Amino acid sequence: EVQLVESGGGFVQPGRSLRLSCVASGFAFEEFGMHWVRQRPGKGLEWVSGISWNSDTIDYEDSVKGRFTVSRDNAKRSLYLEIHSLTTEDTAFYFCAKDVTGFFGYFDSWGQGTLVAVSS
Amino acid sequence: DIQMTQSPSSLSASVGDRLTITCRASQDIDNYLAWYQQKPGKPPKLLIHAASGLQSGVPSRFSGSGSGTQFTLTITSLQPEDVATYFCQKFDTAPFTFGPGTKVDIK
Repeated sequence: EVQLVESGGGFVQPGRSLRLSCVASGFAFEEFGMHWVRQRPGKGLEWVSGISWNSDTIDYEDSVKGRFTVSRDNAKRSLYLEIHSLTTEDTAFYFCAKDVTGFFGYFDSWGQGTLVAVSS
Repeated sequence: DIQMTQSPSSLSASVGDRLTITCRASQDIDNYLAWYQQKPGKPPKLLIHAASGLQSGVPSRFSGSGSGTQFTLTITSLQPEDVATYFCQKFDTAPFTFGPGTKVDIK
């Protein structure tokens, strides 16, 4: 069974940085692309970033370019998202999601999400 | 960037009703369209891929159709467990934009 478990969320002050993690199990993590999707409370889904199986292809939604950094460690079966210069607009649940391909396609498994709350 | 829209934004129907949700892309995305179901407090769940492919384990009352710029998700006989918000998503190229969602509940 595919499992994705996010961690690293919490309450943080504006301007600080945070690193989110997603640990995968139940599938060959090193073979699949992975993504981060966020959802502000009561709002819709927003794709944030994706990374290919070998980290050669990385992409970001325009509004987060320069502040968000996605990475992965296949040996640790882990996906990461570093968020810098946090603002209240970054307050959201952050989900990691598994791609159906090694690069970018649709998302067939999702984690439960981790909440990032930015407030002074 | 390609924009995704959905209609209606919400709907209320009776158990057993047939429902259709529409998703439109601002440019041609061929059949690179997926549908997800999200229940309150849960992560999204993949229902349909490549516009009309039913994901394994999803009940056959769900179906998808369309290509290019207009797509539909149909629920042939609404069940109480189908109360959720439904999102479409383009996956041709980044950004992998989602539609704003359609909230479905029971009358």
